[in-house]
Amino acid sequence: GQQVMQIPQYQHVQEGEDFTTYCNSSTTLSNIQWYKQRPGGHPVFLIQLVKSGEVKKQKRLTFQFGEAKKNSSLHITATQTTDVGTYFCAGLTTVTNNDMRFGAGTRLTVKP
Amino acid sequence: GAGVSQSPSNKVTEKGKDVELRCDPISGHTALYWYRQSLGQGLEFLIYFQGNSAPDKSGLPSDRFSAERTGGSVSTLTIQRTQQEDSAVYLCASSERWRVPGNTIYFGEGSWLTVV
Repeated sequence: GQQVMQIPQYQHVQEGEDFTTYCNSSTTLSNIQWYKQRPGGHPVFLIQLVKSGEVKKQKRLTFQFGEAKKNSSLHITATQTTDVGTYFCAGLTTVTNNDMRFGAGTRLTVKP
Repeated sequence: GAGVSQSPSNKVTEKGKDVELRCDPISGHTALYWYRQSLGQGLEFLIYFQGNSAPDKSGLPSDRFSAERTGGSVSTLTIQRTQQEDSAVYLCASSERWRVPGNTIYFGEGSWLTVV
């Protein structure tokens, strides 16, 4: 079953509004990665977080890894129509034997 | 190769027929993954390979699904007696090594399967 939970499943925002998606694991993660899938495309790697409490920024995107390494978030400031897509987190756990497990994804739509 | 290559890119098949999907990972990548994504849905893990072995087959939806990988490279996902609920995009991905923090997973473009 799914070890990595991601919320919300869908998010619709007005262009210029902020957006956040959250990823939670019941077990400690060795690292967490974020991917973006544009409509009709395939997931593409965005970033990786490894350290407890780590925060990384890519322009308007801010990624955080929780202190306990069980949760992560992706925050987009002032969304643009180019941000449309599904954002997936993927965690490498220290428990499972099946490598990276993806969250269900958060589908973001942006109204111009 | 330069990227993960999948074929066919699109497949329409009749219910009850068998289909075979092929994945050619990035050269040198030892880990290979299969995911399924139904329209507008998330990624459903199916199976992964470390080299030619598949330590975890728990994600395969039924015994109609099977996968193999030979020579540590190309993998095929076979669906027997296809059903309409098998219609989805089948995504293959590869990464350089297995269970190593820092490995980026590279996805192919996917094989769009439609069962009519």
